Amino acid sequence: DGGITQSPKYLFRKEGQNVTLSCEQNLNHDAMYWYRQDPGQGLRLIYYSQIVNDFQKGDIAEGYSVSREKKESFPLTVTSAQKNPTAFYLCASSLGTGHTGELFFGEGSRLTVL
Amino acid sequence: KQEVTQIPAALSVPEGENLVLNCSFTDSAIYNLQWFRQDPGKGLTSLLLIQSSQREQTSGRLNASLDKSSGRSTLYIAASQPGDSATYLCAAVFGNEKLTFGTGTRLTIIP
Repeated sequence: DGGITQSPKYLFRKEGQNVTLSCEQNLNHDAMYWYRQDPGQGLRLIYYSQIVNDFQKGDIAEGYSVSREKKESFPLTVTSAQKNPTAFYLCASSLGTGHTGELFFGEGSRLTVL
Repeated sequence: KQEVTQIPAALSVPEGENLVLNCSFTDSAIYNLQWFRQDPGKGLTSLLLIQSSQREQTSGRLNASLDKSSGRSTLYIAASQPGDSATYLCAAVFGNEKLTFGTGTRLTIIP
C-alpha cells in the first residue's frame, strides 16, 4: 500500500544524546515535511524539502537537522542542542512543491527525553 | 501575521445529529484550505482540500465550505456516528507560504 512510514513509533532519549527519526514514502511525492506537535498548540514546521539534496528551515529548526539524499527518504535528527525535544513528531509529503499540494501524514513518532 | 483559529476547542454531540465545525482565518488571500482528522496518538488523515476558486467539497457524509470574504471555512458532518469521534484540524496556505494549522476541535459523539 502507498503511504508514509515513520519509525520508531516511540523513542526514549537521555539528555545529551542525538536521535534520528526515520520517514519513508512510496507515494512518489516531491515535497516532504517535518512537523512538531505539542499539546494545545498547532503543528509547527521544523524543516521541509521540495527536491532531493535541498531543504529549508521552517519556524522551529534550531536543534534539528535533516537530509534528503533520496526522494523517498527524509530523516530528522534531534540533536542535543534542542532544549525541549519531548514531543510528537509528524512527517508529511505532498505532490508538487510550494506547500500547495494536498498533505499526507505518517503515523508519527513520540520522543521522550528522560 | 496569518492565523487560523478553531472554536470551540471541544464539542460533544449525540449520535445521529448533524454538526458543523468552524475554522476562521485572518487573510482573505488564501490559496487553499485542508481539513484533517486526528485520532489519539496517531497521525493526521486528510479529509478534504478546498482550492481558493472552490466554494465547497464533498466526500461521503462530509462537506467542507470556504468563504474567503468572511474568512471562514466549515466542515459539516451529517448523521454523526461514534466513529467520528476525533480531533479535527484545519490548515490554510496563504499566497505561496507554508501551511498554517489551527489547534483543532476535539469532537465526541455520544452513543
